Amino acid sequence: DAKTTQPTSMDCAEGRAANLPCNHSTISGNEYVYWYRQIHSQGPQYIIHGLKNNETNEMASLIITEDRKSSTLILPHATLRDTAVYYCIVRSRGTYKYIFGTGTRLKVLA
Amino acid sequence: GAVVSQHPSWVICKSGTSVKIECRSLDFQATTMFWYRQFPKQSLMLMATSNEGSKATYEQGVEKDKFLINHASLTLSTLTVTSAHPEDSSFYICSARDIDDRGPELRGGYTFGSGTRLTVV
Repeated sequence: DAKTTQPTSMDCAEGRAANLPCNHSTISGNEYVYWYRQIHSQGPQYIIHGLKNNETNEMASLIITEDRKSSTLILPHATLRDTAVYYCIVRSRGTYKYIFGTGTRLKVLA
Repeated sequence: GAVVSQHPSWVICKSGTSVKIECRSLDFQATTMFWYRQFPKQSLMLMATSNEGSKATYEQGVEKDKFLINHASLTLSTLTVTSAHPEDSSFYICSARDIDDRGPELRGGYTFGSGTRLTVV
């Protein structure tokens, strides 16, 4: 299973862009990268996913490097409600399991 | 969007009793459901994969006789914590994979329930 590595914590000023990096150097050719976030005491919420092209939706943008060994989740204008733990996941081939890493605890500051 | 309902949201039980947690996909059929547990300030740990109509597959170190999983229909999976003890107190979360997921490309990823906080006293 491809493993992911993320910084333990980050702070971001309200209204500024939050850039959350993820390393997934062992990712295989057709494995997708998924991003979820978990607000305290709730189930994880899907944010975005991608394979090799950059992706954007109403919540965030996902930038994937050309070699696919890392990616960055961008929250363009962070709000206090974006304070959460953000998980970068590479889905296991064949078993379809999500294996969660430690995630990044993002704190948006007023 | 896809919704997964998890019930109860919290439960307190006495040591030695059993507790059942339900996970339902409300507007889609789930061929596979996953069960996780999460201790305070830690990440989610996958416990087992539940496939409709077949036996669940447990992760290494998870006792299958203690955590009974049943996935009798395409919209319902249950986790029963048997003979619960205080160390089983945790946050339990399920997620569901849409039956229409036919490959690496998912329509929005898996959907998670809101979790069940179990406290064993």
